[in-house]
Amino acid sequence: DVKVTQSSRYLVKRTGEKVFLECVQDMDHENMFWYRQDPGLGLRLIYFSYDVKMKEKGDIPEGYSVSREKKERFSLILESASTNQTSMYLCASSFSYMNTEAFFGQGTRLTVV
Amino acid sequence: TQLLEQSPQFLSIQEGENLTVYCNSSSVFSSLQWYRQEPGEGPVLLVTVVTGGEVKKLKRLTFQFGDARKDSSLHITAAQPGDTGLYLCAGAGTYKYIFGTGTRLKVLA
Repeated sequence: DVKVTQSSRYLVKRTGEKVFLECVQDMDHENMFWYRQDPGLGLRLIYFSYDVKMKEKGDIPEGYSVSREKKERFSLILESASTNQTSMYLCASSFSYMNTEAFFGQGTRLTVV
Repeated sequence: TQLLEQSPQFLSIQEGENLTVYCNSSSVFSSLQWYRQEPGEGPVLLVTVVTGGEVKKLKRLTFQFGDARKDSSLHITAAQPGDTGLYLCAGAGTYKYIFGTGTRLKVLA
């Protein structure tokens, strides 16, 4: 059974903290993605990676960075958490971006207080 | 920037009714996918449509890709409470998926 696992279901962090969200996939997929999901806005792409150590900005990269040191792991970093980063964060992976399924993790609901 | 807009944003219907959800863009996509997301979970793929004009059926769900490959629709026949969820369309962009704004469906028993 294919799997994308996010390290936490729920997180509460303080403003200004550095926050790490971890994502691991066991399908040997080339592509990995980080999205945030907010009501009425759908899924917005933060960063994606199409190979180890490669990363590309998505539509809303400000305030975030990523790391992909190994093929199976893609980490999202909030350098200095702010209240407007309170959201649901979804990690996904796929074999190819064209016509193939994106597999999602269960999501991390982050609250910044 | 490629955008996908879905309508309606919310839909609450009685069990047994039919409904259609629309996904529209000004851009052409090589393929379009539909996902369903249950509360507390990530989206799960329902179908991928690739050819303009293509129609795919998944039990009571019928998916259509527009002739110009800019839009798609999802039709549910005789909706059931188990169809409740968030429906998302997604287009294949350069190296990434572009998701629509979502349609939240609630089917009342």
